Amino acid sequence: DAKTTQPNSMESNEEEPVHLPCNHSTISGTDYIHWYRQLPSQGPEYVIHGLTSNVNNRMASLAIAEDRKSSTLILHRATLRDAAVYYCILRDSGGSNYKLTFGKGTLLTVNP
Amino acid sequence: KAGVTQTPRYLIKTRGQQVTLSCSPISGHRSVSWYQQTPGQGLQFLFEYFSETQRNKGNFPGRFSGRQFSNSRSEMNVSTLELGDSALYLCASSWADIYEQYFGPGTRLTVT
Repeated sequence: DAKTTQPNSMESNEEEPVHLPCNHSTISGTDYIHWYRQLPSQGPEYVIHGLTSNVNNRMASLAIAEDRKSSTLILHRATLRDAAVYYCILRDSGGSNYKLTFGKGTLLTVNP
Repeated sequence: KAGVTQTPRYLIKTRGQQVTLSCSPISGHRSVSWYQQTPGQGLQFLFEYFSETQRNKGNFPGRFSGRQFSNSRSEMNVSTLELGDSALYLCASSWADIYEQYFGPGTRLTVT
């Protein structure tokens, strides 16, 4: 599986935007970029995914670099409920890769 | 729509025993995946089932097994429990493809 690199931790203030970076220099043409997050004492939660173009949904935005070697998850206005571990994951859309390979993720702390 | 449910939520077993965990996916979802989460190893993929067939398996010993029923409900079994099997076991379901997985709250297994 192609590897992703994320900072171990980041801090933000409530109601400010948060940019969570992810490097994936070995990404292949068929890899989708997925983001999941895990709140304390809960299972992971799907956030967003994309292939080449930037994506928006009700939870967040995903900005993908033109060369696709990096991406950024954007939380437009952080709330205390956004404090979680955020995982950036590559998933091959071809073949039979049905699993999610989680790295260590980024622990996001949101200050009131 | 009800989410993914897992039973039991908490379980204490002794070494050498076996355990069966249950997962009910979201209605209409045919793919069920299982993950193990520990503080040391993080989230690791166990196996994935689709229409009662195991499609992918992670790097776990044969003591870990699973199955899926015709109604998509899934069970995983761990035989001859070891202390290192103490973990949070998470089940995730998705409709058909690999893009979004919805996780349950997990079963916390403690082996003494």
